[in-house]
Amino acid sequence: AQSVAQPEDQVNVAEGNPLTVKCTYSVSGNPYLFWYVQYPNRGLQFLLKYITGDNLVKGSYGFEAEFNKSQTSFHLKKPSALVSDSALYFCAVRDRPYGQNFVFGPGTRLSVLP
Amino acid sequence: EAQVTQNPRYLITVTGKKLTVTCSQNMNHEYMSWYRQDPGLGLRQIYYSMNVEVTDKGDVPEGYKVSRKEKRNFPLILESPSPNQTSLYFCASSLSVVGGVNYGYTFGSGTRLTVV
Repeated sequence: AQSVAQPEDQVNVAEGNPLTVKCTYSVSGNPYLFWYVQYPNRGLQFLLKYITGDNLVKGSYGFEAEFNKSQTSFHLKKPSALVSDSALYFCAVRDRPYGQNFVFGPGTRLSVLP
Repeated sequence: EAQVTQNPRYLITVTGKKLTVTCSQNMNHEYMSWYRQDPGLGLRQIYYSMNVEVTDKGDVPEGYKVSRKEKRNFPLILESPSPNQTSLYFCASSLSVVGGVNYGYTFGSGTRLTVV
């Protein structure tokens, strides 16, 4: 069975500084990895995904994530944080390219301080 | 606008009173799913549907029912709600597989349910 860990409940970063939100996963086969963002009182929005190919994946709003197979990680990054990036971020994994059984991590709350 | 619409956004009900949360998508997606979100637990899948009349249990199906009579609608039914079903619920839909790649979910805005 697959699982996802987000080791930090909360990440605080100053505006303009780089940010990293960590995610590690466990799957029995090839991982298919996703990041979603949830703004207050909103549903989750898709940010980016890793299916295959380049380990560095670029997504919406200037975010990117790096797939590291040896460390089983898929950390979300952004070179320069904005106050508007403050939200709840979820990492998700699936062990097959099709089918809908995503497993989500517990979420990490990102606060970007002005 | 392509979207997943859930109703109601907020609901307070009493233990044992049957309720239905509706979910509708206008993107002709085949896959639909219900999740509940609880602090520290992330999102947990309740039920999912791979197509019309095809539904299956997720990780936490107890106390819930679903139906998929039409492609666009996927209602969540709580026959006898209990306080432990107080949660934030999300409906989501997804394109069918194209070339082996799934493009991820589109989520509704959520339904905050309180059972007293």
